[in-house]
Amino acid sequence: EAQLVESGGGLVQPGRSLRLSCAASGFTFADYAMHWVRQAPGKGLEWVSGISWNSGSRGYADSVKGRFTISRDNAKNSLYLQMNSLRAEDTALYYCAKDRYSGSYADAFDMWGQGTMVTVSS
Amino acid sequence: EIVMTQSPATLSVSPGERATLSCRASQSVSSNLAWYQQKPGLAPRLLIYGASTRATGIPARFSGSGSGTEFTLTISSLQSEDFALYYCQQYNNWPSFGPGTKVDIK
Repeated sequence: EAQLVESGGGLVQPGRSLRLSCAASGFTFADYAMHWVRQAPGKGLEWVSGISWNSGSRGYADSVKGRFTISRDNAKNSLYLQMNSLRAEDTALYYCAKDRYSGSYADAFDMWGQGTMVTVSS
Repeated sequence: EIVMTQSPATLSVSPGERATLSCRASQSVSSNLAWYQQKPGLAPRLLIYGASTRATGIPARFSGSGSGTEFTLTISSLQSEDFALYYCQQYNNWPSFGPGTKVDIK
């Protein structure tokens, strides 16, 4: 069964860093663009960052540009999000999501993980 | 950045009735528009992509229409399991989501 499993969330102080991981299985990870989407408690969905299948294209929401870095390791079927200079407003459930269509850098997301919670607080 | 808006914020509907949700993009996204359903405590589920194509396993009572900047999700006859949050998303460029429409029981 195809699945995405996020990890790495937790409680972190403002200004500190955290690295999220997403482990993919059950599909050819290297063929698809991948994304991070977050959802603050009681709020809507916010696209955070995306990366093309070959890491040639990377995009970021304005709210995280310059602080977050997305990367992937196709040999390990893994997606990452390095989050630096964290702020209280980064507190959210972070989902890993897969593009529906291979070869693009942005498409509809046909698979989501269960999410990993990041809480930024002193 | 393409800004997505959705209306109404909340839609109260009786079971068996039709629900019509609207989504607007700040600039044309062609047909690069998806709809998601989200229930409490769960990840979103893809319903519609390409503005009008149902994703795998999605019942025929869900339909999407529109192109350019104006889009609609219609649920023809609401079932109890359809009461949820619905988000539209454009993917004409790097993606962005609308703020969501909550469909609740009237």
